[in-house]
Amino acid sequence: GENVEQHPSTLSVQEGDSAVIKCTYSDSASNYFPWYKQELGKRPQLIIDIRSNVGEKKDQRIAVTLNKTAKHFSLHITETQPEDSAVYFCAASTRGNNRLAFGKGNQVVVIP
Amino acid sequence: DTEVTQTPKHLVMGMTNKKSLKCEQHMGHRAMYWYKQKAKKPPELMFVYSYEKLSINESVPSRFSPECPNSSLLNLHLHALQPEDSALYLCASSQDSGPWEQYFGPGTRLTVT
Repeated sequence: GENVEQHPSTLSVQEGDSAVIKCTYSDSASNYFPWYKQELGKRPQLIIDIRSNVGEKKDQRIAVTLNKTAKHFSLHITETQPEDSAVYFCAASTRGNNRLAFGKGNQVVVIP
Repeated sequence: DTEVTQTPKHLVMGMTNKKSLKCEQHMGHRAMYWYKQKAKKPPELMFVYSYEKLSINESVPSRFSPECPNSSLLNLHLHALQPEDSALYLCASSQDSGPWEQYFGPGTRLTVT
């Protein structure tokens, strides 16, 4: 099955700086890559996703890039704010498959 | 409206109790999911219902019994649980069989004593 690796496990950034989290996946057939943000005690919240026919997608301060050749995708957060502090999970899924293979998660800490 | 609701928010049960978790969505989604999440870990898939039929059971112990009464409702019946089953139980839904965006409910924090 699909295996998703997520690095780094913890990331501390100064408020206003950018944060980048990278995930790699193993199954070249994977074609859907969502990112979830989970604040302490809250539900995982879908913040952005990308499909394999697109290389980049942006939504305000967040963006996701996909490199199918290298089998990795990254979350970019610009102008970080304290409310961006959370655990971020990447995931991958294959066409026709309900399963999301999650990475282990990144704890992002934005220092005011 | 991308809301999935779950009840109860918190549940404490003994190992001999029988309880049920409930999940509801009104987005017209045809796939619904149960996940288990331990602290500082990603969600772990337990069951998937697609068009009200169980399509995936990730080798979950029989003390967890899912039920999908209709396309909007999903239950998880619990019986004879173990302390290690204490976790956050998340329900999610998606438009159809994957891969589609999955939206999570707030979860039920379960403690087994």
